[in-house]
Amino acid sequence: GNSVTQMEGPVTLSEEAFLTINCTYTATGYPSLFWYVQYPGEGLQLLLKATKADDKGSNKGFEATYRKETTSFHLEKGSVQVSDSAVYFCALSGPRGGGATNKLIFGTGTLLAVQP
Amino acid sequence: DGGITQSPKYLFRKEGQNVTLSCEQNLNHDAMYWYRQDPGQGLRLIYYSQIVNDFQKGDIAEGYSVSREKKESFPLTVTSAQKNPTAFYLCASSILQGTRVEELFFGEGSRLTVL
Repeated sequence: GNSVTQMEGPVTLSEEAFLTINCTYTATGYPSLFWYVQYPGEGLQLLLKATKADDKGSNKGFEATYRKETTSFHLEKGSVQVSDSAVYFCALSGPRGGGATNKLIFGTGTLLAVQP
Repeated sequence: DGGITQSPKYLFRKEGQNVTLSCEQNLNHDAMYWYRQDPGQGLRLIYYSQIVNDFQKGDIAEGYSVSREKKESFPLTVTSAQKNPTAFYLCASSILQGTRVEELFFGEGSRLTVL
């Protein structure tokens, strides 16, 4: 069935460091892939997405490339800021058993803490 | 402003009591969803609805119930049958392109604590 696996946190970085949060997926068909961000005490917000192989999603300095050959969608940022501290979720569209794509399946989330 | 409103933000409940969490959206989205968030477990889907008067169970529907009498509203009832209801509950909505959901819009969440 469809699933998402992302690296466990917490990830602790100093300001201006390079960030990578790994995400791999298992899916039937061709799902869309997403990164969502959750700031403390809030709901989730869409950070970026990609809908087909080799697409690159980007937003606010974050990037992720849909790699079908490695079934990955790793999140990267060249220089993190304290304000990037949050929980990051990788997600894909589709049910656990494959088929229709009318819901999202989320990874367990990765807590990022950026220190000044 | 368009968005999703969840209420209450914090709720305390005694064991054995049912409680209803409100979710209202003014985005004119067809689909609405309820997720449960627990530390270290990410988001798990409870129920979802693509159309008024119809809804489907997600992965952890036991002990929960929903209704969808209006397009704008999708309340979640946590019943006394839910064995471990203390959690953060998130409501979301989306446009559907055919049967595909491309982006979820989330509310601010409701934190339920059972005393």
